[in-house]
Amino acid sequence: EDQVTQSPEALRLQEGESSSLNCSYTVSGLRGLFWYRQDPGKGPEFLFTLYSAGEEKEKERLKATLTKKESFLHITAPKPEDSATYLCAVQDSSASKIIFGSGTRLSIRP
Amino acid sequence: DADVTQTPRNRITKTGKRIMLECSQTKGHDRMYWYRQDPGLGLRLIYYSFDVKDINKGEISDGYSVSRQAQAKFSLSLESAIPNQTALYFCATSDRQGGYTFGSGTRLTVV
Repeated sequence: EDQVTQSPEALRLQEGESSSLNCSYTVSGLRGLFWYRQDPGKGPEFLFTLYSAGEEKEKERLKATLTKKESFLHITAPKPEDSATYLCAVQDSSASKIIFGSGTRLSIRP
Repeated sequence: DADVTQTPRNRITKTGKRIMLECSQTKGHDRMYWYRQDPGLGLRLIYYSFDVKDINKGEISDGYSVSRQAQAKFSLSLESAIPNQTALYFCATSDRQGGYTFGSGTRLTVV
């Protein structure tokens, strides 16, 4: 059964303090791994898609990487506006639907 | 205008009432989904549809039904609402590559 586990559940950082969020997955043939950002009371907003081990994508202070078993979302020198819940999701080879992890709630203190 | 529009944004209803949540999209995608989100449980799939004549159950479909009225419209119904259906509901659409676009959500409270 496809499964996505994110850690930690919550992370509090000081502004400028870099860190990483983890997404471990089990899937029968990975078609794609997705990262989303969700602000309170809003729908998730698409960030990245990764398709194969070794792939990396960057956007401003965020960089997503992928291995055969997990993905990391690296946050470099974060700012308070990066505070949000970050969701990871995987799509299997059937391409029927995607399965979401429960998210990491990131808080950046000024 | 938003790519995916959900109505209503907020709703309070009584136990046993029938309620419909509506979703429309302007992305031109064939695939549409309904998810519910509860604190600590993430997004869980209720129903999904890959075209107008296709309806599929997700992992938590009991107590819910859906209707795909057109390519752009996908509604979710609670036939007899119960308090544990209190949650944030999201509609989403995607292409075959899987990139989802979500609506802003409907916050439903069943009292």
